[in-house]
Amino acid sequence: GQQLNQSPQSMFIQEGEDVSMNCTSSSIFNTWLWYKQDPGEGPVLLIALYKAGELTSNGRLTAQFGITRKDSFLNISASIPSDVGIYFCAGQYRGAQKLVFGQGTRLTINP
Amino acid sequence: EPEVTQTPSHQVTQMGQEVILRCVPISNHLYFYWYRQILGQKVEFLVSFYNNEISEKSEIFDDQFSVERPDGSNFTLKIRSTKLEDSAMYFCASGTGRYQPQHFGDGTRLSIL
Repeated sequence: GQQLNQSPQSMFIQEGEDVSMNCTSSSIFNTWLWYKQDPGEGPVLLIALYKAGELTSNGRLTAQFGITRKDSFLNISASIPSDVGIYFCAGQYRGAQKLVFGQGTRLTINP
Repeated sequence: EPEVTQTPSHQVTQMGQEVILRCVPISNHLYFYWYRQILGQKVEFLVSFYNNEISEKSEIFDDQFSVERPDGSNFTLKIRSTKLEDSAMYFCASGTGRYQPQHFGDGTRLSIL
C-alpha cells in the first residue's frame, strides 16, 4: 500500500542541538507537508512544500522537497524545550486529496 | 488565528450505539476531511468532502460511516453501529483548495466500551 517511511522514530537530544528527520517513499508525491503534534492536540502545520527541490524555512525550521519527489527532510536548529512533540511528514499524491502520514518522530529534549 | 473546532473532546459510547462527531471548519474553507489516529499509530485518512458530496474515501470508510454538512458551518461524522476497534482520536481538517494545506482540529477521543 501507500507508505511513508519516517526516521528516526525517536530522538533524545540536548537543548540547543540541531535536529534532522526525514521521510522517504517508493512513490512520487506532489506535495509534502510537515506537522507537529503535541499531546492531546491535533497536528499543527509547520511547513508545506510544492515543488521538487524546494527549500522552505519557518523560523528555526527548514524543510526540503527532494528532487526525486520521493523524499523530504525537516531540520530544526538550536532546539528549545517547546520543540518537544511528535513530528509527522505527510504526502499528497497528484490528483488525490488525502494525506498519507508517516509514522512520526518523537522528539525529546533534555534541558 | 482561525481554527478548526471539534466537539466533544471526549466521547464514551457503548458498542453498537450510534455516535456523531462534530466539527466547525475554518469559515472560508471549502474542503473538509476526517482522519483517525488509533492510539500510538499514525494518522489515517477517512474521507474528504467538497461541494456537499464525498470526493474521496478510504477503505476504512465503510457503510457504517457517513458524513454530512447539515448547515453552513458544521461538518459531522456519524458512525452507525460502533465497534470496539472504532476507538481512536478522530480529527477533522479543512482547507481552502484541493491541494492547499489541511488544517486540523484538536480531535475527539472516541472510546467504545
